[in-house]
Amino acid sequence: AQKVTQAQTEISVVEKEDVTLDCVYETRDTTYYLFWYKQPPSGELVFLIRRNSFDEQNEISGRYSWNFQKSTSSFNFTITASQVVDSAVYFCALSEVGGGADGLTFGKGTHLIIQP
Amino acid sequence: NAGVTQTPKFQVLKTGQSMTLQCAQDMNHEYMSWYRQDPGMGLRLIHYSVGAGITDQGEVPNGYNVSRSTTEDFPLRLLSAAPSQTSVYFCASSYSLTGTRNSPLHFGNGTRLTVT
Repeated sequence: AQKVTQAQTEISVVEKEDVTLDCVYETRDTTYYLFWYKQPPSGELVFLIRRNSFDEQNEISGRYSWNFQKSTSSFNFTITASQVVDSAVYFCALSEVGGGADGLTFGKGTHLIIQP
Repeated sequence: NAGVTQTPKFQVLKTGQSMTLQCAQDMNHEYMSWYRQDPGMGLRLIHYSVGAGITDQGEVPNGYNVSRSTTEDFPLRLLSAAPSQTSVYFCASSYSLTGTRNSPLHFGNGTRLTVT
């Protein structure tokens, strides 16, 4: 069975610090997809990134970057020069392709607090 | 485009009452799904549909029914509400159940349900 672990329940940093959110996953499939979603205090879920298991290249989008390492089954998310607006709950999620239409398996989320 | 629309935004029920959470999307997505979000639990898949007339169970289907008579609508029914169903419910849709790089899983803004 697939599983996503976000060991950091809550992280608090001061604005402008860099912060990394950890995500470790378990799957038996060789083809799978990994996601990050942001849930700001307003409650909606905002898609950040989708990565397939064959693409191990790191990705950067502005202040956001993602490090995918199959060897350690990790898909970590780093925010550089954090801002107060980054305060939110961040979810990592996994989907297996071979298992059929089972949807996404989410981690429990990391609550990120950026203090001014 | 309205995207994914969920109604109502808030609902309070008494134990044993029934109700239907509405979900509609105007993006012609084949795939729709329902998740529930509980504190410290992340999001868990309740039911999903890969097209009109087709539904299947997710991780936590007990106590919920769904139907998919049209591509646009995917209502979630609680036949006899229980306090354990107090949660925030999210409906999601996509061209594929896990989303594509250019078409991620689109979430509605959620329905906060309290069962007393």
